[in-house]
Amino acid sequence: DTGVSQDPRHKITKRGQNVTFRCDPISEHNRLYWYRQTLGQGPEFLTYFQNEAQLEKSRLLSNRFSAERPKGSFSTLEIQRTEQGDSAMYLCASSFSGSPYEQYFGPGTRLTVT
Amino acid sequence: AQKVTQAQTEISVVEKEDVTLDCVYETRDTTYYLFWYKQPPSGELVFLIRRNSFDEQNEISGRYSWNFQKSTSSFNFTITASQVVDSAVYFCALSEDETSGTYKYIFGTGTRLKVLA
Repeated sequence: DTGVSQDPRHKITKRGQNVTFRCDPISEHNRLYWYRQTLGQGPEFLTYFQNEAQLEKSRLLSNRFSAERPKGSFSTLEIQRTEQGDSAMYLCASSFSGSPYEQYFGPGTRLTVT
Repeated sequence: AQKVTQAQTEISVVEKEDVTLDCVYETRDTTYYLFWYKQPPSGELVFLIRRNSFDEQNEISGRYSWNFQKSTSSFNFTITASQVVDSAVYFCALSEDETSGTYKYIFGTGTRLKVLA
């Protein structure tokens, strides 16, 4: 078990560009979460998948954000037309339905929009 | 509504002092879990403890201890004989038994602990 992995770990992009992040959950975990953490704040929930179905989205997830989990395994989070306010740490977490409270977090992707 | 409050933004202590980090939560559910995480400068969240709402027994793990009091909706974290390596941001979090079945975590804003040598 290698844990939750995220790629890339760091991303610097210019305002207006599109970026995509990837999350690989623990292999037997069917639940996957995305959180965003801005400077000086705690992580905030963005969206949740059970298998390939996206079952909940936060109001924080503007229409420039889209997340997918096409085969119920890895997930991608895309941000279109990035803004400086999108600069944050994007955290992915996964869990198993039998233990829904037990989320395992990845190392995060730190996005800087210049 | 769910809410977690960590009123202490930053705490500085001298090495070997004891320090308590406060966490107050709000929930309307009777079934929920509370968590503490450590976030060093590298940014990764390091899991420290998970406690369910039916278990009010205090817990001790080495220099760490946790005091859960449902009567005051608090889940405080104490580090005994602090060390420089304890310097980090500490987050308290809450997860409810939601009807939606999401079980998302609600985090507080964190407490930055600085342990001075």
